[in-house]
Amino acid sequence: QFVLTQPPSVSAAPGQKVTISCSGSSSNIGNNYVFWYQQLPGTAPKLLIHDNNQRPSGIPDRFSGSKSGTSATLGITGLQTGDEADYYCATWDFALSAVLFGGGTKLTVL
Amino acid sequence: QVQLVESGGGVVQPGGSLRLSCAASGFTFSSFAMHWVRQTPGKGLEWVAFVPYDGSSKHYGDSVKGRFTISRDNSKNTVYLQMNSLRVEDTAVYYCAKDFRAGSGLFDYWGQGTLVTVSS
Repeated sequence: QFVLTQPPSVSAAPGQKVTISCSGSSSNIGNNYVFWYQQLPGTAPKLLIHDNNQRPSGIPDRFSGSKSGTSATLGITGLQTGDEADYYCATWDFALSAVLFGGGTKLTVL
Repeated sequence: QVQLVESGGGVVQPGGSLRLSCAASGFTFSSFAMHWVRQTPGKGLEWVAFVPYDGSSKHYGDSVKGRFTISRDNSKNTVYLQMNSLRVEDTAVYYCAKDFRAGSGLFDYWGQGTLVTVSS
């Protein structure tokens, strides 16, 4: 259904680390920057990571991004209950001439 | 600070039309491309449309091509989305978003969204 594939959900305990994967293809992730967005319940998405691994000002260094080939990963360390949100990867696809989103991953901090 | 405020959402019957507006402030609007993105209830995000800083071209997602039109008025710092031939599946929260960087194709700031409900 979504061209970019994310796990529907991940969970971990407070203080722990979690990673969220985003898998695509050569026409999207493989040749374009990946962005990550955090959507807290009832709010608009917020930019978390741009250009694969860059944090905008104000985003804690607990959040990190990486990319390898046609996959990208968001990492969150020192989990807090306030990190419970939906996380989306996004990138441009030059074959479709469109912005693509992953299906989103719901993070639960147990 | 960057602010994006959408308006114009509401309830419309299938086949009807609606025009959304997004008023921008806190940045040089005429220097940035603008996007519309929607989110269906309880589901994921879908990119809808994009217009470059000067309005010289327009780009659409496949599901809205031929029905929706994006435009902008740089004198009013406003971007619009004209939605025609609306379908039940167009029901969503519609967000406008500011382009992150020329050529990036992606966005940094988002508005709070406006709800469009297509129902008979």
